[in-house]
Parts: sequence; structure tokens; C-alpha cells
Amino acid sequence: DTAVSQTPKYLVTQMGNDKSIKCEQNLGHDTMYWYKQDSKKFLKIMFSYNNKELIINETVPNRFSPKSPDKAHLNLHINSLELGDSAVYFCASSRQFGVGTEAFFGQGTRLTVV
Amino acid sequence: GQQLNQSPQSMFIQEGEDVSMNCTSSSIFNTWLWYKQEPGEGPVLLIALYKAGELTSNGRLTAQFGITRKDSFLNISASIPSDVGIYFCAGRSRDDKIIFGKGTRLHILP
Repeated sequence: DTAVSQTPKYLVTQMGNDKSIKCEQNLGHDTMYWYKQDSKKFLKIMFSYNNKELIINETVPNRFSPKSPDKAHLNLHINSLELGDSAVYFCASSRQFGVGTEAFFGQGTRLTVV
Repeated sequence: GQQLNQSPQSMFIQEGEDVSMNCTSSSIFNTWLWYKQEPGEGPVLLIALYKAGELTSNGRLTAQFGITRKDSFLNISASIPSDVGIYFCAGRSRDDKIIFGKGTRLHILP
């Protein structure tokens, strides 16, 4: 069983569209994250949720809206997609927020905005 | 914001050679993590370090949490072709964010 799974793996869409990426973890972790990896492979945190509550919200355009319906899921909705949103988006989870924060990553969603 | 300086940016080595890479920061980190990423995959945790001075091994990999809490290194001994990939250091900052270095790209020459 995949520990952290994201769907879809690839997403190609036109500018201006709205799209969602889903993430699920079956590790029983309390904390989930979204990271963005740019073309230079730089990984930057976007959001962190702990027990369904938003803990970290980096300087991310408000077109990006995360939603955590329960501890095991953290979805990312993006409105009015722009060319610069093209990147690989990784979901991750960790046992707790703070202590023991080794994060386990999904396989990524490669978003291409055309 | 807090940043991690990871070096070298890339390495080209012969199979069988040892590899060393490191991360430094101007800020203190409470946890150091080392990840490996292969093409088309997410980063995979290799080693986690929690205490200053801690030295931890995972097979041919050894990593240390610097005494000053501002640096960490990763060594790979006797490299093999499957070691190819991008290695990332990451640190947990005081505000509990996991911040990543820019990665070290390891290439192994035939």
C-alpha cells in the first residue's frame, strides 16, 4: 500500500482553469503538507495542516486553497491557473507537528499550465 | 527567511568512490533530515538527526548533526550506480517549518 498517494500524477490544463489535486495518507499521521518543486528542483513549503487545522501558510497566492476534510486527506485547489503555477506539487505527512517531523512524501503531481 | 546552503550543487564521481556533501545555515535547526529524490519520484527519507553531535548510519550512508546545530553532512561510501539522484538536506526550523536545501545532484561515471 502506498503511504502517501496523490492524484493525478500528471495534470495538463489551460491558463485560467480551476483544478484540484488530492492527497491521502494511510500512515495515521497528524500533520500533512503541500510543497512546490520548481524547474530547478527547489522544494518550498506551501501549507501545513495539523489535525485538519491550518498551521503554516507561506506566502502563497490566495488562488491556492488547501482543504483537509479529515486527518488523512489534504487537497489543494487552484483557481485561475497561471503559467507560473507549472511545477511539481508534493504532498507529505509527518507523525506530529514539531516533534518527530520527518516527512514522508507522495510521488508528486506534475502540473503543466499551457 | 531561513535558508540552507547545500554543497556541492552537483558531483561527478567514479563508481566505488566515496561521496561527501553538506548543508550549512546561519540559523539553528532542531532537526536535520537527508532525502534522496529520483526522477519522477518524491523525496525519500534517508536519515533523520535529532541531537547536536549525533552521528547516524544507514547502510553505506552516514550523516552527522553539527555541534553548532547550524550544519550537517552526509557521506556515502563506495558509491554504486543506484546512488544516482538528487540528495536534499532539510532542517526543522524554530517555527517548525521543514526547509530544504537546493540539492546535490550525484552523477556516477561508468
